[in-house]
Formats: sequence, C-alpha cells, structure tokens
Amino acid sequence: NAGVMQNPRHLVRRRGQEARLRCSPMKGHSHVYWYRQLPEEGLKFMVYLQKENIIDESGMPKERFSAEFPKEGPSILRIQQVVRGDSAAYFCASSPNSGVLYEQYFGPGTRLTVT
Amino acid sequence: AQSVTQLGSHVSVSEGALVLLRCNYSSSVPPYLFWYVQYPNQGLQLLLKYTTGATLVKGINGFEAEFKKSETSFHLTKPSAHMSDAAEYFCAVSDEYGGSQGNLIFGKGTKLSVKP
Repeated sequence: NAGVMQNPRHLVRRRGQEARLRCSPMKGHSHVYWYRQLPEEGLKFMVYLQKENIIDESGMPKERFSAEFPKEGPSILRIQQVVRGDSAAYFCASSPNSGVLYEQYFGPGTRLTVT
Repeated sequence: AQSVTQLGSHVSVSEGALVLLRCNYSSSVPPYLFWYVQYPNQGLQLLLKYTTGATLVKGINGFEAEFKKSETSFHLTKPSAHMSDAAEYFCAVSDEYGGSQGNLIFGKGTKLSVKP
C-alpha cells in the first residue's frame, strides 16, 4: 500500500509566479491536511479538506493561497504570485477519518524555493 | 488556545545513553498529545500518542512518553540511544477538545544527534 505521495519534491519559482503542489493520499483515505514548515519552525496547520469540501481553512493566508480536493485526483495547494516569504516545506497528511484518534500519515513534503 | 514548547532545539547524546526530549504544552482542555519523528527529506512519522487512560505511553523504536498533567509536560525518553535515532522530533497537541477535526499544533522541533 503506497504511502502519501507529494509532487514535486522540490519546486523553484520566481517571485510573482504560481506554485502548484500536489498530494495523493493513501488509498482509502478521504481526509487531507496541509501544513507548512518554515525554516527553524514547527509545522503550522493550513487547511483541512475532505473530498470536494474544504472543512477548515483557518490556517491558510486569506490571499493568494487556495486548496482543493476534487472527487477524482490529488489534492492541490495553489499559491499565486509567490513571494520570498512563501519559501518553505509544505507537507500534506491523510487519514481515513476525521479526528485525532485517526493517525495522520504524512507525505515527504514539497520544498518550495522562491527566488 | 493550545500551544507547545520544546526545550532545546538541539540535543546531543552518546550512543547507549539516555535520550530525554522535553515538551510542555498549554491547553485549557484535556489535551491529546503526540510525538512525531522526521528523518532527513522525509515526512513525519508518528512515534506515540496520548489520548486518555494510562499516562505512560509506549511507542515505536523503544520510545516512551509520560503525560504529567500537574507539570503540563509530555517528555519523550528512550533508555539507550542508537545511531539510527538521529532525527528531528516534534511534539504536537490537538487543537480542540476531542480533536474532532484532527488539526495538530506542533512545537518547533528538537534535532537529536547521536555520537558514536
């Protein structure tokens, strides 16, 4: 059973470009969480999605950031008009159900560098 | 709001020595607590978690942690360090009572080095 997959693993964008990060959850998992890890910081929650629904986006910046988890295909985290401060590692995690009693399985992350 | 403080961003121990990684939390409700490990260029892996019941929790790879409500602590220990334990360790707390959504609040992490 393949784990959580994220691609690309490394992404370099110039300021003002768009970044698209993809996350394929584990088979059978319909809940996806996105976290951001800034240098020397812990992971910060961004958004929680179920299939076709955003459940909680309280950790996501109001502008330039969006996320989706369509009925078919991976979850996408989209950052428009990237700035240097967006440089970070972005992790997604999936679980079979909501709630902390269900383990979140993390992907290897996408390391975004904005030049 | 919940928060997590990990004391010591870097900890170095000798192989075979005791590992102690400190974690204190702040929560207005009974917390759910977690320890994750991150190896270089990999995602996080759950080591152990405390939800309810026994306050001494055993995890994978010989690690354990004890929930001490009076000290608001959840320190991670391992009696004898192995070279393969070198990694970064994150303590986390659920962000609401019962963790109905599962969002986690992480500490800044502690990098563990193991000397031969």
